[in-house]
Amino acid sequence: RKEVEQDPGPFNVPEGATVAFNCTYSNSASQSFFWYRQDCRKEPKLLMSVYSSGNEDGRFTAQLNRASQYISLLIRDSKLSDSATYLCVNGGATNKLIFGTGTLLAVQP
Amino acid sequence: DTGVSQDPRHKITKRGQNVTFRCDPISEHNRLYWYRQTLGQGPEFLTYFQNEAQLEKSRLLSDRFSAERPKGSFSTLEIQRTEQGDSAMYLCASSLLENTEAFFGQGTRLTVV
Repeated sequence: RKEVEQDPGPFNVPEGATVAFNCTYSNSASQSFFWYRQDCRKEPKLLMSVYSSGNEDGRFTAQLNRASQYISLLIRDSKLSDSATYLCVNGGATNKLIFGTGTLLAVQP
Repeated sequence: DTGVSQDPRHKITKRGQNVTFRCDPISEHNRLYWYRQTLGQGPEFLTYFQNEAQLEKSRLLSDRFSAERPKGSFSTLEIQRTEQGDSAMYLCASSLLENTEAFFGQGTRLTVV
């Protein structure tokens, strides 16, 4: 089993839609989790940290389920500018930051 | 600019040549990470440092790859005898402490011809 697994998508959604991504991880000792956003041919940029049971920032909500070993990212009221690849990151037991393959989101007008 | 800086931004080299990349982390960040990314994939962990100590090196990394962070500030990544399969984006990131957010540089795009 991969350390971090994501559905690669693409997710094609209309503007204004709500979309959710899931990510599973294999290391139950992991202490930290993050969501990063990556635009085409750019570096990843931190979107949200997920330290405990979850985190909310405007239209974005991240949830952590330790029992089932997954984290999720919910985007409400999608904007065209949300189109990007969303990377799930597991800090692992030693916080070496393991990335998933990313989920591609395309918001359509 | 106080972000993570990488140099060069682009490198084209002939197969068999050695290349070296540099990363300057955010000032006072103790942790420094190197990743490799190819099209359609997430960043692949290569190695990371806590100050000047290299804590872990990926098992996937061949002996042709070496990284240093001699004074706990900037870091270099060297690839010896480059192969076409080494063509990728090499990303550097830094964080203040463990379990904290990491910030990326713009990367060095390597093309081996």
